[in-house]
Amino acid sequence: EAQVTQNPRYLITVTGKKLTVTCSQNMNHEYMSWYRQDPGLGLRQIYYSMNVEVTDKGDVPEGYKVSRKEKRNFPLILESPSPNQTSLYFCASSSQREGPEQYFGPGTRLTVT
Amino acid sequence: GDSVTQMEGPVTLSEEAFLTINCTYTATGYPSLFWYVQYPGEGLQLLLKATKADDKGSNKGFEATYRKETTSFHLEKGSVQVSDSAVYFCALKPGGSYIPTFGRGTSLIVHP
Repeated sequence: EAQVTQNPRYLITVTGKKLTVTCSQNMNHEYMSWYRQDPGLGLRQIYYSMNVEVTDKGDVPEGYKVSRKEKRNFPLILESPSPNQTSLYFCASSSQREGPEQYFGPGTRLTVT
Repeated sequence: GDSVTQMEGPVTLSEEAFLTINCTYTATGYPSLFWYVQYPGEGLQLLLKATKADDKGSNKGFEATYRKETTSFHLEKGSVQVSDSAVYFCALKPGGSYIPTFGRGTSLIVHP
């Protein structure tokens, strides 16, 4: 089954404790991205990647890092989480050859205390 | 830059009522247009799309027509069900680009 998976789905952590949210897709998509969703603000893009070893900042990259060492994986790294990073995070992927739409993961709800 | 504006919610309707959620956009060229739906506790999933002017996207009883003259892509459904309660996002993607632009989302609540 074609899908985007994220882990963990839920995470509660403390300020300053490094964490990684994993994202993996099995569709051989070249494009992957991370969003955060906050009430009243909709979806905001954090980082995106056009292909392996190619990443770029989205609208709200501060406090986040990403890497794209393999085509299928695009982890999101919070090296020193803060309470304002409490949010719902989505990973997405797409491919120009398949069509313009994006495929989203199920989301990761992160709480930083 | 590109932008998408959709009506603020929540939109509250009774079952079997007619639904319209307005969406207008600003973009150069000829973007593809989308409606995504997010059911409670889930990620976004594509509801329908249109890739050129005058195209009509349809799925699950929902429809939207790509109107270039009014730069709009309004979502409609003739008779909503309780199971349609969700958040709906309008989005665009310029041709040849990977990077989409999303509206802020409109929450739909359907009462029995």
